[in-house]
Amino acid sequence: TQLLEQSPQFLSIQEGENLTVYCNSSSVFSSLQWYRQEPGEGPVLLVTVVTGGEVKKLKRLTFQFGDARKDSSLHITAAQPGDTGLYLCAGANTGTASKLTFGTGTRLQVTL
Amino acid sequence: EAGVVQSPRYKIIEKKQPVAFWCNPISGHNTLYWYRQNLGQGPELLIRYENEEAVDDSQLPKDRFSAERLKGVDSTLKIQPAELGDSAVYLCASSLDSGSYNEQFFGPGTRLTVL
Repeated sequence: TQLLEQSPQFLSIQEGENLTVYCNSSSVFSSLQWYRQEPGEGPVLLVTVVTGGEVKKLKRLTFQFGDARKDSSLHITAAQPGDTGLYLCAGANTGTASKLTFGTGTRLQVTL
Repeated sequence: EAGVVQSPRYKIIEKKQPVAFWCNPISGHNTLYWYRQNLGQGPELLIRYENEEAVDDSQLPKDRFSAERLKGVDSTLKIQPAELGDSAVYLCASSLDSGSYNEQFFGPGTRLTVL
């Protein structure tokens, strides 16, 4: 069974602070996705990374896929209250790319 | 374009009762997924459909769970009988097909509480 461990589990910060969320596994994934989920809603895709070492930026969010494609990180610069939510990484397996293994989740709260 | 529609949004039942969830995927999406999400955790896949065929149901507890996707569009997930441990959010998702890196679009989920 492939597992994706996220850290930290919970994070409460003030507006304007920076933060990094980590997603780690002992397994190799063909691609990795990051989702954000708000209360009462389903997860919404933020980004897909497919190449080892790849870095993608989405406004204040920076995503990196590890060189060995076993881990990933999400860095948020100058967090805002609108960034509050549950962040989930999800890995896809080679050959069955549509089957996602979701991480344990990081709940982020950004306060004024 | 309408997103993935699920109903009901909330369901409270007593243990041993049956319950059913309904999902209408995005028009044209051939692949449909049912996930279960426990509080504060990531979703876990229960079953995946390619059109009307269930191609991955290895995580579906088949003694009490069943699913169908007639005509390859709408899908229902049923639990009979429900147990206390079935309390969770049941998410439906769809994607265009099962090709590489396909984005999965999720519905809002059905929150099930078993008393």
